[in-house]
Amino acid sequence: DAGITQSPRYKITETGRQVTLMCHQTWSHSYMFWYRQDLGHGLRLIYYSAAADITDKGEVPDGYVVSRSKTENFPLTLESATRSQTSVYFCASRELSSYEQYFGPGTRLTVT
Amino acid sequence: GQQLNQSPQSMFIQEGEDVSMNCTSSSIFNTWLWYKQDPGEGPVLLIALYKAGELTSNGRLTAQFGITRKDSFLNISASIPSDVGIYFCAGRVRETSGSRLTFGEGTQLTVNP
Repeated sequence: DAGITQSPRYKITETGRQVTLMCHQTWSHSYMFWYRQDLGHGLRLIYYSAAADITDKGEVPDGYVVSRSKTENFPLTLESATRSQTSVYFCASRELSSYEQYFGPGTRLTVT
Repeated sequence: GQQLNQSPQSMFIQEGEDVSMNCTSSSIFNTWLWYKQDPGEGPVLLIALYKAGELTSNGRLTAQFGITRKDSFLNISASIPSDVGIYFCAGRVRETSGSRLTFGEGTQLTVNP
């Protein structure tokens, strides 16, 4: 199916573990984004990517790593998960020539 | 970073009523987007605005790009139960944002049948 997908949809992990959240889009959009959504903070940008092999920090990048070896994939890795990283994570993408971002369904991550 | 003030934070209305919400900022925006988020899902784009004064409709939804370029409004007419959700505004500041959007904190809408 065309669109933007995220996996897993739900994840529980322990403090200190590494976890990777996957994002895949079939639109060939140039830009991809990772946000976290927390009560009281709305959507906050973690990292974004303008194209394959080009990534840049957002508002809250500490504790996260991203890569983009292929245009369609943009994984987000928490190298050593902390409880403060318990959140809902959204991936989004957009075309080069537009500011309209399209969101995935989200991954709910709980760090115990 | 840039701040967007979205109001009201929540609304409780009866089915059939009209709804208005808005976003304001001290910065000048060149793009305004309105999203709706259902529980457990990602935000879905409703309306995009690109010019000051622009008025755009999507079914029962109408959004406007404020003349000052510092605000935007969303109206929902004749609300129905499936309008329930969180509505977000998002904007791109004219000169400083690069690729980023700034998001409001959302308006939680509840519609009583």
